[in-house]
Amino acid sequence: AQSVSQHNHHVILSEAASLELGCNYSYGGTVNLFWYVQYPGQHLQLLLKYFSGDPLVKGIKGFEAEFIKSKFSFNLRKPSVQWSDTAEYFCAVNAGNNRKLIWGLGTSLAVNP
Amino acid sequence: ETGVTQSPTHLIKTRGQQVTLRCSSQSGHNTVSWYQQALGQGPQFIFQYYREEENGRGNFPPRFSGLQFPNYSSELNVNALELDDSALYLCASSLSMDETQYFGPGTRLLVL
Repeated sequence: AQSVSQHNHHVILSEAASLELGCNYSYGGTVNLFWYVQYPGQHLQLLLKYFSGDPLVKGIKGFEAEFIKSKFSFNLRKPSVQWSDTAEYFCAVNAGNNRKLIWGLGTSLAVNP
Repeated sequence: ETGVTQSPTHLIKTRGQQVTLRCSSQSGHNTVSWYQQALGQGPQFIFQYYREEENGRGNFPPRFSGLQFPNYSSELNVNALELDDSALYLCASSLSMDETQYFGPGTRLLVL
């Protein structure tokens, strides 16, 4: 069965630290990949997405992610986090002809000022 | 441009009751997907509606049913509520079936 794994469930960083959140999926064919963010008290928002083309994708608020097909990974990165990046981050995959998005469990990021 | 809206925001029901949750899709979007998000978990896909037809379903029992209306708004109905149905129910709309999904704020359902 298709699945998505997020390796870090809770991450605590200080402001200006670099961030990398891992995401791996299990599916051998064509995939669409997403990172969504949920800020405290707000609804899920799209951070960035990969459908095809350049595997390095840039999103909002300085986030980027790299699709590495050979590793089935789509890790999220930000060179310097801010307190306002405190949120829950979800990786999601849409695989093949299946219409559903399959989600990871999420990573809770806390950035200390 | 109006985003995705859901109603009600919160709801408390008892076991065995039925509930209807509503979703208005973003302007121009013809596809609506519903998800269940339990506490501490990622969203789980319930089903998707495209142009008023069910277009994919996750591993949820038949007591979870839905509708999409000609204006592309949607309802999620859950019959014979169980305690485990307590969760945040999310609606997402998209321009078409395989396009990026935009989420509403969710309806938090508590079953006692």
